[in-house]
Amino acid sequence: AQKITQTQPGMFVQEKEAVTLDCTYDTSDQSYGLFWYKQPSSGEMIFLIYQGSYDEQNATEGRYSLNFQKARKSANLVISASQLGDSAMYFCAMREGPRGSSNTGKLIFGQGTTLQVKP
Amino acid sequence: KAGVTQTPRYLIKTRGQQVTLSCSPISGHRSVSWYQQTPGQGLQFLFEYFSETQRNKGNFPGRFSGRQFSNSRSEMNVSTLELGDSALYLCASSLWRTSEGTDTQYFGPGTRLTVL
Repeated sequence: AQKITQTQPGMFVQEKEAVTLDCTYDTSDQSYGLFWYKQPSSGEMIFLIYQGSYDEQNATEGRYSLNFQKARKSANLVISASQLGDSAMYFCAMREGPRGSSNTGKLIFGQGTTLQVKP
Repeated sequence: KAGVTQTPRYLIKTRGQQVTLSCSPISGHRSVSWYQQTPGQGLQFLFEYFSETQRNKGNFPGRFSGRQFSNSRSEMNVSTLELGDSALYLCASSLWRTSEGTDTQYFGPGTRLTVL
């Protein structure tokens, strides 16, 4: 079974509009971490935002926010005011187990969503 | 602070050869993880090293191995290359200190390996 599911292979958004990228996850651990990364065509993975399973507030980092719904096991990324430079592949990833555990170095990734921003 | 560096960036090998990839983590980071990215399988965890010890291993054959040096630099080796080993190999480093509450992995630019 997939542990991280990103159901949108590709998405388009108009410049300056907001867009939501979906991510659902599956784990039996009570403590875990969720990450979003951006991968431009150059290949480098760029860290965007982190949400811990016990964090009470949804994470925000500039134009990025994470809509965390624990009961539904979803961690959707919201990008506000899209820019042309946001065109890239976006990956949702999970660390199972608490932060600092032996699973710290192991991330499980979804298949990614390709986002294209239209001018 | 300099980011994660990986060398070489591009590599072309033939089947049966072996290859060594190198990764230098962000200064102060002690954990180094390796991932393989292919169009078919996506991003898959290979292994993680912390303080020169392999702490985690993914589901890859023994042809894939790695090590970490005392300065936290890491290498991964693939022996007896197969066509299916063609991929982008990404290295990531993290601080790994529970007291600081962060284990975010920061990735390097990757090494693109082509096996002919």
